[in-house]
Amino acid sequence: NAGVTQTPKFQVLKTGQSMTLQCAQDMNHEYMSWYRQDPGMGLRLIHYSVGAGITDQGEVPNGYNVSRSTTEDFPLRLLSAAPSQTSVYFCASKMRRNTGELFFGEGSRLTVL
Amino acid sequence: GENVEQHPSTLSVQEGDSAVIKCTYSDSASNYFPWYKQELGKRPQLIIDIRSNVGEKKDQRIAVTLNKTAKHFSLHITETQPEDSAVYFCAANVGVGGGADGLTFGKGTHLIIQP
Repeated sequence: NAGVTQTPKFQVLKTGQSMTLQCAQDMNHEYMSWYRQDPGMGLRLIHYSVGAGITDQGEVPNGYNVSRSTTEDFPLRLLSAAPSQTSVYFCASKMRRNTGELFFGEGSRLTVL
Repeated sequence: GENVEQHPSTLSVQEGDSAVIKCTYSDSASNYFPWYKQELGKRPQLIIDIRSNVGEKKDQRIAVTLNKTAKHFSLHITETQPEDSAVYFCAANVGVGGGADGLTFGKGTHLIIQP
């Protein structure tokens, strides 16, 4: 199993540009999520999904969209990038609700100029 | 929602000594408390977790304790080694019994092992 795969690993954007961070998992996990990691701020939940067709907002959802058309994929879209969205983004998945190990992807470092 | 506080933000210990990292949580419904280790430039990885029906759990040099009444839990690392240097995150689950699944993380502790 590849686990959780994120692409791209690095991206530089200009303010106002849009992009999609891809996330795929091959562990048949119901739950998938996106976190952003900023220095001194820990990991903050952006959006999550508990199954195909179901998504919901986390702690810091503004400026981001998600969709879950399949169990495997959970892309994160930045519609109009802002410098405040410069961060490291992690996709994570797990087997069931509320308990169980959360498996992280390798992360995507995004810089918005 | 759940709020997780973690202390200290930086901890420096001599190799071979013990390290303790403490976290508090706010939601009494939380029942799952994992700890993640993140090495520089890498992804967070689970090192140990504890559920609310247990007060303590050990795995070799690592142990976690949970006090449900006080809503705090701690990570203990004994006989620290250079490879223990990393950032450690505590977390608590949220939305227990409801629709808001996920983990709320503390802000992290940078553990430095001095030779």
